[in-house]
Amino acid sequence: DIQMTQSPSSVSASVGDRVTITCRASQGISSWLAWYQQKPGKTPKLLIYAASSLQSGVPSRFSGSGSGTDFTLTISSLQPEDVATYYCQQANSFPLTFGGGTKVEIK
Amino acid sequence: EVQLLESGGGLVQPGGSLRLSCAVSGFTFSTYAMTWVRQAPGKGLEWVSAISGAGGSTYYADSVKGRLTISRDDSKNTLFLQMNSLRVEDTAVYYCAKRAGTYGGQIDYWGQGTPVTVSS
Repeated sequence: DIQMTQSPSSVSASVGDRVTITCRASQGISSWLAWYQQKPGKTPKLLIYAASSLQSGVPSRFSGSGSGTDFTLTISSLQPEDVATYYCQQANSFPLTFGGGTKVEIK
Repeated sequence: EVQLLESGGGLVQPGGSLRLSCAVSGFTFSTYAMTWVRQAPGKGLEWVSAISGAGGSTYYADSVKGRLTISRDDSKNTLFLQMNSLRVEDTAVYYCAKRAGTYGGQIDYWGQGTPVTVSS
């Protein structure tokens, strides 16, 4: 099974700050990586697919990069509505696996 | 507009059974792979099972293999998850989700989830 390791597990930043979340796969997954945002009490929402493609309707302050085993989600200017837990997920092979999540809070 | 509406969750005793349903609309259901993802209280997301479009190959997490069965009725635009021999650790919100392709891809739409509680 492919293990997905996210870091940090939580981050507290000020409005307008740049926030970076990393995700490492235990083996190469090419660009088969997605990022999801889950706000408190809500359903997960797709942000990024194929490692760097922005899902329609997602603000451009979100971006993704990486391939192989190392991936990054960046929020270029943190907004109050970005408070959420963010998950990476590999779609390369079964079993599909998620990272443990990164909780983003406003300082 | 894509919509996925789960039903069938509830309280069940250990060893019991439940059948979850997910009624979908807004896309050509038969064309797309579908999946179930669960989230235990206060925990992260855990993939449970998937089924492809166009023929319905099925896949399971080791933790549920032999106890949960995914199926689909393309004539009724409905996805199912038959859950047998339930354990306390199966307690979670179960999300029905659509994948972006016929055989895989990212999860691009999620249902609202249906809660399953396994307790005596």
